[in-house]
Amino acid sequence: TQLLEQSPQFLSIQEGENLTVYCNSSSVFSSLQWYRQEPGEGPVLLVTVVTGGEVKKLKRLTFQFGDARKDSSLHITAAQPGDTGLYLCAGASGPGNQFYFGTGTSLTVIP
Amino acid sequence: GAVVSQHPSRVICKSGTSVKIECRSLDFQATTMFWYRQFPKQSLMLMATSNEGSKATYEQGVEKDKFLINHASLTLSTLTVTSAHPEDSSFYICSARSGTVNQPQHFGDGTRLSIL
Repeated sequence: TQLLEQSPQFLSIQEGENLTVYCNSSSVFSSLQWYRQEPGEGPVLLVTVVTGGEVKKLKRLTFQFGDARKDSSLHITAAQPGDTGLYLCAGASGPGNQFYFGTGTSLTVIP
Repeated sequence: GAVVSQHPSRVICKSGTSVKIECRSLDFQATTMFWYRQFPKQSLMLMATSNEGSKATYEQGVEKDKFLINHASLTLSTLTVTSAHPEDSSFYICSARSGTVNQPQHFGDGTRLSIL
């Protein structure tokens, strides 16, 4: 099992604020994904990053993969109530390229 | 897009019962399927990886005799929780992947298992 630590674990902010979620590990991953999950549903893929140092943008979300491919960050600009959810990073490792999920960040955006 | 269906979405049963959960890929062939377990407000924990036609590979700490996984076809994998007890209550999620290891995973909507 590859350990991916996310911080913060819980985050409650006002609408319009910016935030950053971090995903850190001592292991190197061939790729890393970010997901958002609503209660009682499966996770929904937001982005996949593959190259060290890669930056991807998805509207108000900016994702970065660390140069050494051990860590990643998710930055949300001008958060909206619809951004509320559980954000999960997942790193690919092992012979079957299995994805191991991070510890999760529960985000609440208050209107 | 690729769709993965899980059934049932929710099950409530008595302690000692064995429960089977199905994971189907509806519009693609899933050579590999993954089973995860998730406790409330926690992340997904990988339980096992199954490849069609071969035995599942279980993660450390997961009892293979407790959680039986069968992946007999390219569109169906099943997870059977044998002699379930209240501590087995959890949210179980499957994902499926076609082709090579670089292909994306597609997740089901999960099964909420409650053991009384």
